[in-house]
Amino acid sequence: DSGVTQTPKHLITATGQRVTLRCSPRSGDLSVYWYQQSLDQGLQFLIQYYNGEERAKGNILERFSAQQFPDLHSELNLSSLELGDSALYFCASSARQGSGANVLTFGAGSRLTVL
Amino acid sequence: DAKTTQPTSMDCAEGRAANLPCNHSTISGNEYVYWYRQIHSQGPQYIIHGLKNNETNEMASLIITEDRKSSTLILPHATLRDTAVYYCIVRVGGSGNTGKLIFGQGTTLQVKP
Repeated sequence: DSGVTQTPKHLITATGQRVTLRCSPRSGDLSVYWYQQSLDQGLQFLIQYYNGEERAKGNILERFSAQQFPDLHSELNLSSLELGDSALYFCASSARQGSGANVLTFGAGSRLTVL
Repeated sequence: DAKTTQPTSMDCAEGRAANLPCNHSTISGNEYVYWYRQIHSQGPQYIIHGLKNNETNEMASLIITEDRKSSTLILPHATLRDTAVYYCIVRVGGSGNTGKLIFGQGTTLQVKP
């Protein structure tokens, strides 16, 4: 158990639907990162939040959005789902924003299947 | 952040040392070298990181060349459970950096009995 909790573990839905993935970071960690891993794309960085504020944005589609709440948990919202959105979605957390070495701890992931 | 180059795949005999190389010839002085691994669709797992000096922890050793243009991750006694994709990542440290890690394709290490 890495200390980063992701729910749900598995999710099956239909095209056009909307889902929300949840992430609870390790206790004390202020940064949350979201990654997508498709079969043919490897691990792709989506977005990062630090203490409630968006800090960096990667290859995140406009149909996707995220936020970090005051209790530091984060949610990734995926809407108008397409077959190509089927993937593993990982959340990671870290203690510091980036000063010096910054170790990310990953959760077990949420597997999304869009039918 | 500097780009890294790793072999696509490697094999290692169980019980032997696994030496995974990584080239990062454009690394800057304030960039750290990180190693992560991912075991079959599990979340990536942190292994070790270093800046200039060689590092060792309970999982592995990291050897960084003096010019810092390449490094080697050493798993001293590989087991079947070490079969995974190993990622070498170079990232800037210091204030102002976002902290995100950009993953490449990594090296698939197959440990064989």
